[in-house]
Amino acid sequence: DAMVIQNPRYQVTQFGKPVTLSCSQTLNHNVMYWYQQKSSQAPKLLFHYYDKDFNNEADTPDNFQSRRPNTSFCFLDIRSPGLGDAAMYLCATSRGSIGEKDELFGQGTRLTVV
Amino acid sequence: GENVEQHPSTLSVQEGDSAVIKCTYSDSASNYFPWYKQELGKRPQLIIDIRSNVGEKKDQRIAVTLNKTAKHFSLHITETQPEDSAVYFCAPKSGAAGNKLTFGGGTRVLVKP
Repeated sequence: DAMVIQNPRYQVTQFGKPVTLSCSQTLNHNVMYWYQQKSSQAPKLLFHYYDKDFNNEADTPDNFQSRRPNTSFCFLDIRSPGLGDAAMYLCATSRGSIGEKDELFGQGTRLTVV
Repeated sequence: GENVEQHPSTLSVQEGDSAVIKCTYSDSASNYFPWYKQELGKRPQLIIDIRSNVGEKKDQRIAVTLNKTAKHFSLHITETQPEDSAVYFCAPKSGAAGNKLTFGGGTRVLVKP
């Protein structure tokens, strides 16, 4: 009964080769978030969608883009992965109301760049 | 934007003792205060949260206390067990900041048997 599903769990990509990570949700939540988490660090928000409205964090590199074709799916595209982009990428969803106990995380995709 | 700090960054306790982690934040508009637990290689999981109209909340061995005036909230774990060993993150949320969680730097808790 997984509610936030990320695919794949592990992804190996070559330096400079575009890669796409996928997130889907069965909760019909309005908001979908992408976080980057490097070893021994806190999750860092890259961007989020409130419905179709895209919100980019000011310090998210241009190399990272996102698409949300419908309520259920959200994709993270890394146009030219560098060694520094190796990390765990976490997707999360939320109804979007303040104070809701519902920001749920997927299991994450661990990205390796070779 | 919101500045969030957690202290301590590491905490080692003997099994059965209590653990306390403090989170300070800067945005006075923050009104939702969750704590996440993350075990090695796993996703963050919400373990307890509190809203701005409540000062304290308890769930079995864990509790959260909030001081909005001083802009800090704390996680309390009593009767610690080895399975409490993990990294804990506070992540206050503010509607004024775009309804986003802002994570603290994390506290690595080790419970020694």
